[in-house]
Formats: sequence, structure tokens, C-alpha cells
Amino acid sequence: NAGVTQTPKFQVLKTGQSMTLQCAQDMNHNSMYWYRQDPGMGLRLIYYSASEGTTDKGEVPNGYNVSRLNKREFSLRLESAAPSQTSVYFCASSPGTGAQETQYFGPGTRLLVL
Amino acid sequence: ILNVEQSPQSLHVQEGDSTNFTCSFPSSNFYALHWYRWETAKSPEALFVMTLNGDEKKKGRISATLNTKEGYSYLYIKGSQPEDSATYLCAFKKGGYNKLIFGAGTRLAVHP
Repeated sequence: NAGVTQTPKFQVLKTGQSMTLQCAQDMNHNSMYWYRQDPGMGLRLIYYSASEGTTDKGEVPNGYNVSRLNKREFSLRLESAAPSQTSVYFCASSPGTGAQETQYFGPGTRLLVL
Repeated sequence: ILNVEQSPQSLHVQEGDSTNFTCSFPSSNFYALHWYRWETAKSPEALFVMTLNGDEKKKGRISATLNTKEGYSYLYIKGSQPEDSATYLCAFKKGGYNKLIFGAGTRLAVHP
């Protein structure tokens, strides 16, 4: 079991470039999440998918789009990267969205936008 | 806006010291409180999930308590070891919401 995997691990972009961050889980989880982590701010939710076929905005969705490709995969797209999107991005999954359902995190993608 | 506050922001203790830190969250419409442990260069890992007022959870030397009426949870580490060095995150789930709101974390450094 690989758990939650993310690619790439590290990426440098120029302002205005686009890219897609990939996330996959092999735990048969229904729910998946994208967070960004900035110094002093903890994890902030960008988008989530409670179940296959649904996506919803989190706290900081502006500048991002997501696709729940299938039950396993949930991608995050930056259409036109900005320096403010320099961050570490974490994907997570959970069996569902109930009170007791803990989230399992991927290793993170470190993104630098110049 | 749902605010989850953690204090202190960082903590340095000596090996063998016991320590504790606080997570504060809105007391209305409480659904669950999660604690995660996040080691440097790794991913956050779940420690505890608590749902009932007065809940106490324990895993080895780490324990947590929950007060939903006043909106706080304490995490305790007894006899800290260098391997306990990590950032400890709490996350609040409100009734009717499908998502967790994370605090900024408490960064613990245990010195030998």
C-alpha cells in the first residue's frame, strides 16, 4: 500500500505558467482534499471532494481548479501561477466525511513561483 | 469564519520534561476535534479523534482531553523524548461541514 502519493515533489514555475499537481490514493477512500501550507498559517483547505463526482471549495479556492478524475485520483490545477501561490501543497484522503474519519496525507509538493 | 487557535506557537523543553499545549475552537455546533502529529520532512499523521465532552484519549506517553462546552482541548506529553519533536496540529469539525479547520500548530522541540 503506497497510501497517498503526490507528483511532482518539487516544481519551479514562472509567473503566468500553468501546471497540474497530481494526487492518487490506493485506500479506496471516498473523500479527497487539497491543502496549502504556509509559514505560521497551518493547513488551509483549497478544494475537496466528498465523494467521486463532487467537488467543493474550501477556504482559499481562488486561482485553483480541481478534477476528481475517478475514485483514486484528485488533481489540482493552477491556470496562471502567481508568486502568492508559492507554498507546500498537501493532498489528503479519508474514508468519508464523518466525525471520526481521520485524514491521510501525501508527502507534499513544494511549489516556487518566480 | 471558524477560528482554531493553538498555543503556544512553539515550545522548547528538555528531555524528561512533561509538557502540554492548548487548542481553542468555537464551542457552538461542535462535531469533532482531531489531533495530528507532523514531523519535519514528513506528512501529518492522526493521533486522536475526540467527539464527546469530557473525552480523554491516550497513546503511550501522549494524552488529550476535550471540553466542548468551553471550546478547548489539551494535549499532554509525559516525559518528553527527542523523538517527540514535531508540530502538533489540532483540527475542528463543525456539524454539517464536510471539512476540517486546522490550527496553525504548536512546534515542540525536545532537547537531549
